[in-house]
Amino acid sequence: GAVVSQHPSRVICKSGTSVKIECRSLDFQATTMFWYRQFPKQSLMLMATSNEGSKATYEQGVEKDKFLINHASLTLSTLTVTSAHPEDSSFYICSAPLGGAGREQYFGPGTRLTVT
Amino acid sequence: GENVEQHPSTLSVQEGDSAVIKCTYSDSASNYFPWYKQELGKRPQLIIDIRSNVGEKKDQRIAVTLNKTAKHFSLHITETQPEDSAVYFCAAGFNFGNEKLTFGTGTRLTIIP
Repeated sequence: GAVVSQHPSRVICKSGTSVKIECRSLDFQATTMFWYRQFPKQSLMLMATSNEGSKATYEQGVEKDKFLINHASLTLSTLTVTSAHPEDSSFYICSAPLGGAGREQYFGPGTRLTVT
Repeated sequence: GENVEQHPSTLSVQEGDSAVIKCTYSDSASNYFPWYKQELGKRPQLIIDIRSNVGEKKDQRIAVTLNKTAKHFSLHITETQPEDSAVYFCAAGFNFGNEKLTFGTGTRLTIIP
């Protein structure tokens, strides 16, 4: 099956700093990628839809100036958490649809962000 | 927007028995309904999905049923095994999986040996 990777898998940063998370589709092109956030023992909540070559679409309640998304190529989307605070500590997961009718979405392995 | 509800939140089943998890969705335009299994700290793994033009789908011990009129779908696991223990999420989406997914709240399934 198709592979989506994320880097880093774990990151610890200090409050007030920024951290970048990469999501790559390794063997297919993804014009669209999705970024989800999952707090402990909770469900996946969609943060934004990343669109190659255009601005990301953010879900209601997600601050676009805090969570910067860049989809610079057909295989790479990045999420930058700016001025991180402890409440941003979470599991961030990206996904990419393979495209075409009836094709599943492929999830990255996730990035565990801890803000101290 | 879409809203997906999932029940129960926890489920304990004797090994060998069946487990059923139910979800309802709100947007009749949704046409793709995947089920994911997630182990602690790992990515969700697709175990089965169903599209709106199908009422039932089965893959070995796992089956999913969809009732479009009532806007609900269910996951059935038969002959449960200890390795089935995990958190299961249902989801609903548009455009047959090519667009964003709305997830249910999850069910923690525990198989009792």
